[in-house]
Amino acid sequence: DVVLTQTPPTLSATIGQSVSISCRSSQSLLHSNGNTYLNWLLQRPGQPPQLLIYLVSRLESGVPNRFSGSGSGTDFTLKISGVEAEDLGVYYCVQSTHAPDTFGAGTKLELK
Amino acid sequence: EVQLVESGGGLVQPGRSLKLSCAASGFTFSNYGMAWVRQAPTKGLEWVATISYDGSSTYYRDSVKGRFTISRDNAKSTLYLQMDSLRSEDTATYYCARHGGILRGWGQGTLVTVSS
Repeated sequence: DVVLTQTPPTLSATIGQSVSISCRSSQSLLHSNGNTYLNWLLQRPGQPPQLLIYLVSRLESGVPNRFSGSGSGTDFTLKISGVEAEDLGVYYCVQSTHAPDTFGAGTKLELK
Repeated sequence: EVQLVESGGGLVQPGRSLKLSCAASGFTFSNYGMAWVRQAPTKGLEWVATISYDGSSTYYRDSVKGRFTISRDNAKSTLYLQMDSLRSEDTATYYCARHGGILRGWGQGTLVTVSS
């Protein structure tokens, strides 16, 4: 199975600070159809996960544009440009290029 | 808007069975594969099973193979997870999600607790 390694496991930020989360894959996530099925989820405390970014860099409808995704192959990054209080929670990368779907261990974003 | 509502969770003794349901709306259910993902208390997300849009193909994580069965009723826009021979390690909140390369439309989940 594909292993996704997320760093850092915990991120402390102040409101307004920009932060980045890394997700590295044990193999390339480029699918034979040309898509890269690397997506980012946010799980706020006590809530189900929600999709933030799909196909590496596409913003899900309704998600603020302070969120952005980038990367290719095996290295991917989620950036939040100006953290807001509602952004606190656990961020997961997930890949669906290679069966089975696998998740990163998560990055907990907390207030400093 | 994709909407998914899970139900059927509860407290069950080890070795017993439980059947989860996931009611879908807001999209053409029969056009999409579907997945179950679970989250043990205080833990991360773990894929459990996937079913193709027409139910002809199913996939399971190794730890549930032979015990869990994923199925769907496209006429009712409903996804199911039959869980047999439950173990304490199956204790988790179970989420369904629309598949298609992107796990989208997560419901609130349904909690399954396996304990004597």
